[in-house]
Amino acid sequence: NAGVMQNPRHLVRRRGQEARLRCSPMKGHSHVYWYRQLPEEGLKFMVYLQKENIIDESGMPKERFSAEFPKEGPSILRIQQVVRGDSAAYFCASSPDGRYGYTFGSGTRLTVV
Amino acid sequence: AQKITQTQPGMFVQEKEAVTLDCTYDTSDPSYGLFWYKQPSSGEMIFLIYQGSYDQQNATEGRYSLNFQKARKSANLVISASQLGDSAMYFCAMREETSYDKVIFGPGTSLSVIP
Repeated sequence: NAGVMQNPRHLVRRRGQEARLRCSPMKGHSHVYWYRQLPEEGLKFMVYLQKENIIDESGMPKERFSAEFPKEGPSILRIQQVVRGDSAAYFCASSPDGRYGYTFGSGTRLTVV
Repeated sequence: AQKITQTQPGMFVQEKEAVTLDCTYDTSDPSYGLFWYKQPSSGEMIFLIYQGSYDQQNATEGRYSLNFQKARKSANLVISASQLGDSAMYFCAMREETSYDKVIFGPGTSLSVIP
């Protein structure tokens, strides 16, 4: 039973490019959460999705960031026109029912140069 | 307002000794859950232990135990018999039923185990 799969593990983008981060939840998990971790900081909640629905996006920056979790395929976190401040580790987590803890993926380390 | 407070940015413990990592939380939701996660230098997030607000007993998982004091709103993690591999960042976290059960993390405590 594969865990939460995130890819790529490392992503380098130039300022102004787009970054697409993918997350495949554990089998049977329909709740997906995205978090951002800036260097030397804790995890900050970004967005909570269920299949085809955004449940809570209170932590998403208002511009340039979007997330989706389609009926088929992985969840995608998309960052348009990246800036240096977007450099961080982005973690995805999944849960079967939104309770009792998540299973985290290994994260995607985004570096904007 | 900070929902999760971890007042110890860094801690040191001698190998084989026990250590307590502090966590206090703030919520008015009667139904909530508390978690501890470990993040080693490799970067992955590892779930350690969970305590529900209605659980009568303190949670334990192997060498980890959660000292849950509901009235004081504290959920300290106790690691017994520390090992070198315990050196990592430790995050306390909480989910609230009224917040769609999303989990909010504290700033973390860096634990270093000394041989």
